[in-house]
Amino acid sequence: SQELEQSPQSLIVQEGKNLTINCTSSKTLYGLYWYKQKYGEGLIFLMMLQKGGEEKSHEKITAKLDEKKQQSSLHITASQPSHAGIYLCGADTGGNTGKLIFGQGTTLQVKP
Amino acid sequence: DTAVSQTPKYLVTQMGNDKSIKCEQNLGHDTMYWYKQDSKKFLKIMFSYNNKELIINETVPNRFSPKSPDKAHLNLHINSLELGDSAVYFCASSQQGTNYGYTFGSGTRLTVV
Repeated sequence: SQELEQSPQSLIVQEGKNLTINCTSSKTLYGLYWYKQKYGEGLIFLMMLQKGGEEKSHEKITAKLDEKKQQSSLHITASQPSHAGIYLCGADTGGNTGKLIFGQGTTLQVKP
Repeated sequence: DTAVSQTPKYLVTQMGNDKSIKCEQNLGHDTMYWYKQDSKKFLKIMFSYNNKELIINETVPNRFSPKSPDKAHLNLHINSLELGDSAVYFCASSQQGTNYGYTFGSGTRLTVV
């Protein structure tokens, strides 16, 4: 079965610093989703990547899917306290069921 | 308007009780899901329904029974609750054939004492 490994598991950065979160899959990725979760809330969809080499940005968050389609990275530029939360990557397992499996999450704290 | 709403938000109950969590989506999506998030924040799928039909049924104790009266609703009933059932349960919905991912509810924090 497919597994997703995220690194690091937790991260504390000073406001204004850049950071990167990685998501590595044990199998080829057919669709990779990034979500953000704040405590006590549901997951908010950030972006979805499908093609090898694809890169998408939303405000100060950029996500890439590598050429071999087994790893994705999420990069935050000039982090702010509002970026704090848990970031989860999710992968479409195929088979047309819509089933997503998730990594274990990366907890981000941004110190003012 | 909340797109995916779950009730209740918090649920504290004793071992052995039976409880239900309700979920409704107003997005017109055709697929709904239940996920369980454990204390380590690991999110794992439990069930999925597409147009009221069960399409995913992961290895979950049969004390858990989902019910979908229509494609906008997916409820989760849990019998004989155990301490290990304590977790946050998320409902989500999606539209098959699109790449917009899931829309999640805000979760139900279940505590079994």
